[in-house]
Amino acid sequence: DQQVKQNSPSLSVQEGRISILNCDYTNSMFDYFLWYKKYPAEGPTFLISISSIKDKNEDGRFTVFLNKSAKHLSLHIVPSQPGDSAVYFCAASARAFGQGTRLTINP
Amino acid sequence: NAGVTQTPKFQVLKTGQSMTLQCAQDMNHNSMYWYRQDPGMGLRLIYYSASEGTTDKGEVPNGYNVSRLNKREFSLRLESAAPSQTSVYFCASSANPAEETQYFGPGTRLLVL
Repeated sequence: DQQVKQNSPSLSVQEGRISILNCDYTNSMFDYFLWYKKYPAEGPTFLISISSIKDKNEDGRFTVFLNKSAKHLSLHIVPSQPGDSAVYFCAASARAFGQGTRLTINP
Repeated sequence: NAGVTQTPKFQVLKTGQSMTLQCAQDMNHNSMYWYRQDPGMGLRLIYYSASEGTTDKGEVPNGYNVSRLNKREFSLRLESAAPSQTSVYFCASSANPAEETQYFGPGTRLLVL
């Protein structure tokens, strides 16, 4: 059974607006979460992470929010840029990955 | 500094054939991983090596074997390929098992006919 789930296979956002990607997990023992970005024909690259002792972590245009009680995290990208178009994977403790969400930023 | 490299980039096999996927990293990392990516399934861990000399099964190890040849290299072997092993395979490394951030190679696309 999938321990990390990204229920939206795809998301389309207009350039300059906010992109919100969501991720749910089932194992309350997970204590570290990561987001990876993947372009076609390349391997995933690390984007941002958050420890369970925090509820928010920011890095430039990227912010990750963690709601431990809901076992939910989200990645906010603002403002969205065309180069953000990629597949985004949520991961828990390096062993459990979500299915990925394909983000398309429209000019 | 090449990071994580994988060979080959693409391979076609017939059912029952064997092959080895090669992975090397030049970041002096202790831990290395093999994943497969299938549509709608995300990345699933096949095997990992927490440190040189150790290997452990991941979520989907059946049909695969691994060798941690040295600190730099971690190979994945398919002894008798099956169509269900058609996938994209990614190798990754991290500084140590407690370091969660992984660095991925570009992937090997495998087609088993």
